[in-house]
Order: sequence, then C-alpha cells, then structure tokens
Amino acid sequence: ETAVFQTPNYHVTQVGNEVSFNCKQTLGHDTMYWYKQDSKKLLKIMFSYNNKQLIVNETVPRRFSPQSSDKAHLNLRIKSVEPEDSAVYLCASSRLGGQNTLYFGAGTRLSVL
Amino acid sequence: GDSVTQMQGQVTLSEDDFLFINCTYSTTWYPTLFWYVQYPGEGPQLLLKVTTANNKGISRGFEATYDKGTTSFHLQKASVQESDSAVYYCVLGDTNAYKVIFGKGTHLHVLP
Repeated sequence: ETAVFQTPNYHVTQVGNEVSFNCKQTLGHDTMYWYKQDSKKLLKIMFSYNNKQLIVNETVPRRFSPQSSDKAHLNLRIKSVEPEDSAVYLCASSRLGGQNTLYFGAGTRLSVL
Repeated sequence: GDSVTQMQGQVTLSEDDFLFINCTYSTTWYPTLFWYVQYPGEGPQLLLKVTTANNKGISRGFEATYDKGTTSFHLQKASVQESDSAVYYCVLGDTNAYKVIFGKGTHLHVLP
C-alpha cells in the first residue's frame, strides 16, 4: 500500500528549464528526504528535512532546493536543469532518526535533453 | 569514514538456487543494519532490519545475520523465485538520519 506519493512519474525537459517535483506522505512521519538514483541504481541522499531542520548534502548543486509547506509535503525544485541531472528522484519519509525504516515513493524520472 | 561494501554488482541464478549476497560494513559503533529491495518501477522497500539487540532478521524467506566480529550482514535465501528479481541494497543506519549509507546494490536476475 503506497503511502509516499510522488508526481509526476516522468518529466522530459530541456537544458536550462526549471522543474519542480512533488512529494506527499500519509504516514504521519516527521522527517522527509530526497534521494537521487543514477542509471546504475546508486542512491545518494540530497536533503533531509523535518519541521525543525534542513540538512543539505554539501555535494548537491545550489540549483537544487527543497520546499516544504508542512511536515507531510516536501517538494524539489531545480532552477536550471543540466544534462547530468537526468536521474530518478526518490522521495522518502521516516520517523526522526536513521535507525528507523525509510518509506520511499515510486520516484520521478527526469530526462534532460 | 563509515562505509558499506557490496562486492556483487550482478547475480544471475535459476529458480530454486541458493542466494547469497555479501555485505560488509565499516564503522566505529554498532549500527542498525537493513536490507532494502527495489522491484522494477518502484522505490526501495524494507526487506529486513536488524539491531544489535536481535542479531538476525527473517522475512519472506530471506535471512540476514548481524555479525559484529566479521562486521558482515550477508543476505541469504534457500530457494529463489523469478519474482525475487530485483535490486538489493545493504544499508547502514545511524541515529543521525543523515548518516544512513546505502551500498551500491546487487542486481539479482532469476531465470525461470
């Protein structure tokens, strides 16, 4: 039963455009995340956010920014996409703390032409 | 620094074969360890979770044992099915969520 919802499933765009992806969780968790998954299925954390603290992976380019209206929603905006941004972006949520299970959405596949 | 190593990038088996996926970790504390599985078109989902308190996890026929001596957390299944074809991740957890580390993943292909 899906409890982390991501939209859209796919997005195709051109270099330099701005894109935004949405994520909503219905699990009542207090922490949400964005992960990037490359073509080899490697997973890298981009952001971790709860209602008190945003943690940014220092390797994430500044054109990426998370946006949250409440603890159930965490969107991802990319200001000016680059070809290397082509990947699957996975949203996840959990109770606070890395010892707790992560619940992932199905992902948004971005293709940058 | 902390790390998780999955040496097998790809494993191909036939139905009813024995599965063994090697995972070792390096850290200075006793973490919570996870195996996640990702089926095509889906996000990763929890398969097993083991803490220092319980040592072994069993789920859906899969088994993993937390071995502090060899710092290993290998995944096993006695008899795989075609439906087990997926990517399997060994994951090192920490009280700090930002320190969760995913292994590179093992692509399992099970032939009918």
